[in-house]
Amino acid sequence: ILNVEQSPQSLHVQEGDSTNFTCSFPSSNFYALHWYRWETAKSPEALFVMTLNGDEKKKGRISATLNTKEGYSYLYIKGSQPEDSATYLCAFSDYGQNFVFGPGTRLSVLP
Amino acid sequence: ETGVTQTPRHLVMGMTNKKSLKCEQHLGHNAMYWYKQSAKKPLELMFVYSLEERVENNSVPSRFSPECPNSSHLFLHLHTLQPEDSALYLCASSQERQGDQPQHFGDGTRLSIL
Repeated sequence: ILNVEQSPQSLHVQEGDSTNFTCSFPSSNFYALHWYRWETAKSPEALFVMTLNGDEKKKGRISATLNTKEGYSYLYIKGSQPEDSATYLCAFSDYGQNFVFGPGTRLSVLP
Repeated sequence: ETGVTQTPRHLVMGMTNKKSLKCEQHLGHNAMYWYKQSAKKPLELMFVYSLEERVENNSVPSRFSPECPNSSHLFLHLHTLQPEDSALYLCASSQERQGDQPQHFGDGTRLSIL
């Protein structure tokens, strides 16, 4: 059974704070790592798909890094805004075509 | 607009009922997926279709029966469900069934089994 973990489970930050959270995944047979944002009452939205060790992707105030050798990815949000409040999911895929989601990190940004 | 539409948004059914969930994607994608989200559990992949052919069934009970008549439509037929099947069911699609393809999700169907 492939295990994808995310930490923390939830966090609360003040508007303007920068924050980051972690996704841990198996380091063997790695193919790709996905990040999704899931706002309440909406559908999950793809943020990034990363495939290369050392990859770094950016979308506005959100960025992500990838370390496939040690099996982790960080998601960073710079200057958090209330509209960033959501659950952030990572998902791991391997060459066996397995695709597994982590449990998510629930972010609340307080105005 | 999401590009992936699911109906109904909410469904309440008894354990002996038969119902179907519908998913339609307007993105020209070749792969479609059914996921289940139970309370306090990660998204669980149930079924994967690629070019209308089922390629993966993650040991889902036979009371869930998928159908993919064409690359734009996906159904999940429900029969004799159990209370533990109450969950949010999400449909997704991607350009191809490859692990580096982002998935596009619908808003889900919230299913309650009485």
